[in-house]
Amino acid sequence: NAGVTQTPKFQVLKTGQSMTLQCAQDMNHEYMSWYRQDPGMGLRLIHYSVGAGITDQGEVPNGYNVSRSTTEDFPLRLLSAAPSQTSVYFCASSPEILADGNEQFFGPGTRLTVL
Amino acid sequence: TQLLEQSPQFLSIQEGENLTVYCNSSSVFSSLQWYRQEPGEGPVLLVTVVTGGEVKKLKRLTFQFGDARKDSSLHITAAQTGDTGLYLCAGGAPDSWGKFQFGAGTQVVVTP
Repeated sequence: NAGVTQTPKFQVLKTGQSMTLQCAQDMNHEYMSWYRQDPGMGLRLIHYSVGAGITDQGEVPNGYNVSRSTTEDFPLRLLSAAPSQTSVYFCASSPEILADGNEQFFGPGTRLTVL
Repeated sequence: TQLLEQSPQFLSIQEGENLTVYCNSSSVFSSLQWYRQEPGEGPVLLVTVVTGGEVKKLKRLTFQFGDARKDSSLHITAAQTGDTGLYLCAGGAPDSWGKFQFGAGTQVVVTP
């Protein structure tokens, strides 16, 4: 199993550009999520999905869109990149909704810089 | 919004010393997890605690969940250089279906 994979590993965008961060998992996990990690602020939840076709907003959803057409894939779209979206983005998956004891498996991250 | 505050923010110790990091909140959590993150990688789960007062041991690491389920601590005995990393706590609030909140983390550096 590859676990949770993310592409690209690094990306530089100009303000106003759009792009999609890819996330895939091969563990047949129902729950997937996107976080951003900024210095001194920990990981903040952007969007999450409890299964194919079902998504919901997290703590910081503005400027991001998601969709979940398959169990395996959960792409994150930046509609019009802004410097405030410079961050490291992590995708995670879990066997089911984050009930007590469920482990989240994280991908290696995408480091995004918006100029 | 339940906030998880971790302390200290940074800790530098020598190999063989003991250390404790803390995770505190004013809110009750139904469960709390500890992760370790190394540079350039995603966090990796160390332990989950769900019962107030629970103590779990993982080799040299001891995790405790407060009786009121508002705080937790991680104690490392005889630290090794391999313990270097960012330690994150994450909590699931009783009414936050599907969402976990993370603290900002404690950066631990263990030098030879």
